[in-house]
Amino acid sequence: SAVISQKPSRDICQRGTSLTIQCQVDSQVTMMFWYRQQPGQSLTLIATANQGSEATYESGFVIDKFPISRPNLTFSTLTVSNMSPEDSSIYLCSGRLFANTGELFFGEGSRLTVL
Amino acid sequence: AQRVTQPEKLLSVFKGAPVELKCNYSYSGSPELFWYVQYSRQRLQLLLRHISRESIKGFTADLNKGETSFHLKKPFAQEEDSAMYYCALSQRGGSNYKLTFGKGTLLTVNP
Repeated sequence: SAVISQKPSRDICQRGTSLTIQCQVDSQVTMMFWYRQQPGQSLTLIATANQGSEATYESGFVIDKFPISRPNLTFSTLTVSNMSPEDSSIYLCSGRLFANTGELFFGEGSRLTVL
Repeated sequence: AQRVTQPEKLLSVFKGAPVELKCNYSYSGSPELFWYVQYSRQRLQLLLRHISRESIKGFTADLNKGETSFHLKKPFAQEEDSAMYYCALSQRGGSNYKLTFGKGTLLTVNP
């Protein structure tokens, strides 16, 4: 298995500011993903974090709003830019350890509240 | 497009009663199905996946391709089973997995 650590675990932010969430994995994962879980909703995939290249974003998510970095196989960051109250959510980092299965390991999540 | 449907948002049973959490999926290829569980104040974690055909914590799930279902079952629910359960689907054998989640079912097991 893989242990995924995220920070911050929670934060309260002001409208218009940006916040960067860090994700550290204790082993090399083949793929890393960022999900959003809005209150009362399921997990929605934001993007696939690609090592050394631009992330692959899902429909409805853009790089200007959610820039993502992945400089190596064990670390990634997600920035939520120019935040509004609608961005209040839990942001989850996940990693795929094995190449032959879609099984994912998840971080504890970062709960953001935008005032 | 792949889609996962969990029709029950809430499910409440008594301890010792059987429990079944429903999951239906829509996918044109060969799917890989999972059940994830999130206990209170804990991270999301894998409960079981269909290709393992194993029983975890007394839970089983059988993939029914004819009915496109992957229902989670347990014959005798325990209070510690109370949690949020998510059904998830991934492309099987592909090189760029994306895991699609259902909306989740909150299971409450009453004493």
